[in-house]
Amino acid sequence: EAGVAQSPRYKIIEKRQSVAFWCNPISGHATLYWYQQILGQGPKLLIQFQNNGVVDDSQLPKDRFSAERLKGVDSTLKIQPAKLEDSAVYLCASSLGVGDSTEAFFGQGTRLTVV
Amino acid sequence: AQSVTQPDIHITVSEGASLELRCNYSYGATPYLFWYVQSPGQGLQLLLKYFSGDTLVQGIKGFEAEFKRSQSSFNLRKPSVHWSDAAEYFCAVAGTGGGNKLTFGTGTQLKVEL
Repeated sequence: EAGVAQSPRYKIIEKRQSVAFWCNPISGHATLYWYQQILGQGPKLLIQFQNNGVVDDSQLPKDRFSAERLKGVDSTLKIQPAKLEDSAVYLCASSLGVGDSTEAFFGQGTRLTVV
Repeated sequence: AQSVTQPDIHITVSEGASLELRCNYSYGATPYLFWYVQSPGQGLQLLLKYFSGDTLVQGIKGFEAEFKRSQSSFNLRKPSVHWSDAAEYFCAVAGTGGGNKLTFGTGTQLKVEL
């Protein structure tokens, strides 16, 4: 079974530029999550989708971050404009549903460096 | 709000020695608890999870964890560490009805001396 795919693996941009990350979840997984992991910290949830609808985006900095999952499968996370403090690993995860016992599977992440 | 504390930032053990990584959580009701491992450049891999029932949970790679409600703890253990266990370990909590939204601790970096 293929895992969660993310691209690119690495990205370096200058501050105030824009960047986009892509995630393809495990086939059949209805729930998709984006987490931000700053160096030395645990991952923090940015947004959760159930199919193509947003379940929770309370921790997404909406003035600069946006995410979409138009057809309920792939998802993109965008940052515009980027700030130095956005340097982090962005992890995508997926799970079968929102049932409490369903396991979330994580991709390898995209490491963003803002200079 | 739920939270997780991992008091040990770094731990070093000798190969073959036993291991215990500490995790304390804060949540008003019975939590769902997880341990994940992250190797350099890799995503998070689930080691084990606790939802209900037996408080001693067995996971992959020879790891186990024990849920202690009275201490709000969910410590991870392994009787004999292998060099390949060197990685970062994260404890996480999800609230019941939380749709599997995870709150992670800050992680414990494990170094294994040969």
